[in-house]
Amino acid sequence: DTGVSQDPRHKITKRGQNVTFRCDPISEHNRLYWYRQTLGQGPEFLTYFQNEAQLEKSRLLSDRFSAERPKGSFSTLEIQRTEQGDSAMYLCASSWGTGMGYTFGSGTRLTVV
Amino acid sequence: KNQVEQSPQSLIILEGKNCTLQCNYTVSPFSNLRWYKQDTGRGPVSLTIMTFSENTKSNGRYTATLDADTKQSSLHITASQLSDSASYICVVSGGVSGGYNKLIFGAGTRLAVHP
Repeated sequence: DTGVSQDPRHKITKRGQNVTFRCDPISEHNRLYWYRQTLGQGPEFLTYFQNEAQLEKSRLLSDRFSAERPKGSFSTLEIQRTEQGDSAMYLCASSWGTGMGYTFGSGTRLTVV
Repeated sequence: KNQVEQSPQSLIILEGKNCTLQCNYTVSPFSNLRWYKQDTGRGPVSLTIMTFSENTKSNGRYTATLDADTKQSSLHITASQLSDSASYICVVSGGVSGGYNKLIFGAGTRLAVHP
């Protein structure tokens, strides 16, 4: 297992378009998290899953954002009708429970033009 | 309010020199404190994790300290290398909500090591 994988690494989209990102966590990890990070700031929590259940969503996750983890393995984050303010790095992380094995992926850099 | 504050915001040092980064937090309840290194355009990579009972932990040239009484931590980098140029993020785990041990992130210290 090579860690947490995210795809794509970079995405440039026009304002108003929909985008979808994918995250493949470490296979034995049951928890999966999404974060957003803007330049010069630390990551901000968006949402997390335990297995396939989405247990918490941040206020940052507007109605245009939706995340799924249908089989408790990989997850997708979709942004509808993108806005320039959505431009950021979207990070995925996974862990086993609330344990120490918290691992981040390399992120997806979104640029909305 | 649960917060993590880091200083300095940015730092420039010469290769081979040592440096110390600071982290102050107000997170309750406290579970553990982590330091991450984040290269530009990459995800954060864990350097150290310390629980309440640990006051120092090393990972190669990186040494983290924790004073749970004053709620302060530091990351000391010894004999810096050009590859140490990155952002260093202090993260405190705690403030449990809905079973999720929240990670509270600092804004990071941007370190540049010059030859």
